Amino acid sequence: AQSVTQLDSQVPVFEEAPVELRCNYSSSVSVYLFWYVQYPNQGLQLLLKYLSGSTLVKGINGFEAEFNKSQTSFHLRKPSVHISDTAEYFCAVMGFGAAGNKLTFGGGTRVLVKP
Amino acid sequence: EAGVTQFPSHSVIEKGQTVTLRCDPISGHDNLYWYRRVMGKEIKFLLHFVKESKQDESGMPNNRFLAERTGGTYSTLKVQPAELEDSGVYFCASSPRRTSGGTTDTQYFGPGTRLTVL
Repeated sequence: AQSVTQLDSQVPVFEEAPVELRCNYSSSVSVYLFWYVQYPNQGLQLLLKYLSGSTLVKGINGFEAEFNKSQTSFHLRKPSVHISDTAEYFCAVMGFGAAGNKLTFGGGTRVLVKP
Repeated sequence: EAGVTQFPSHSVIEKGQTVTLRCDPISGHDNLYWYRRVMGKEIKFLLHFVKESKQDESGMPNNRFLAERTGGTYSTLKVQPAELEDSGVYFCASSPRRTSGGTTDTQYFGPGTRLTVL
C-alpha cells in the first residue's frame, strides 16, 4: 500500500516569487510519481510525472520536480509564479505492478498567487 | 480530441434518493477509473474498468455503489440509496491500453461531478 503526504494545505505567494510544494510518500514497493493541478472549475491536469531516469523532471507551465528516493520526496517547484498559477496541486503515486494502475493522492495544496 | 466528460456537473439530492453519474472517457481509452474526494479529504480511488470488465473495485465503499460500463464505452456510477457521507466530488479518468513495455499511461481526468446529499 502507498500513502502520500502534502505538508502544506495552503501556500500564499506573491507574483513572480518562487514556490515549492512539498510531497512525501510511503510505499513498500517502487513507485511512479505524479503532480496534477486543478484550476478552478476544471478537472485535474497532469503537470509532470517521474517514471525512471533523471530525477529532475520538467513539466508544463515552467514547473519542475525532483525525485529523492532516500528521502521519499517529490517536491514541486516553480522559480517565478504567475497569477494564473492559482490552483490546487495534487501529488500522487502509483505502485509498480499495482493492480489497475490506481493512483494514491495526497491531500492537495492550494496555491494563492497574490499581485 | 475531446477530453473526459462527466454529467451532471452538480447534483443535489435528499438522503435516501438515487443518483446516477455518467462518465464518457476519451475515445479509444480502454481504462476507465472512478475516484472520489470527500470534503477536506484526499482524492480516493473507487474502481477501475478495463473495457467492460471490472479490474479493481477495492475502493468501492459499500454495496450502495454500483458501477457499470456496458459495451466498454461510457460508464455510470449509481448510488442507491444515497447517504449524507456520500457527498463529495466524483472524478472519472481514462487512459489508453497499457503498453507492452509495462510503462504506465497518464490518466486523463474529467471535471468531476459535485454531489450534495441533504
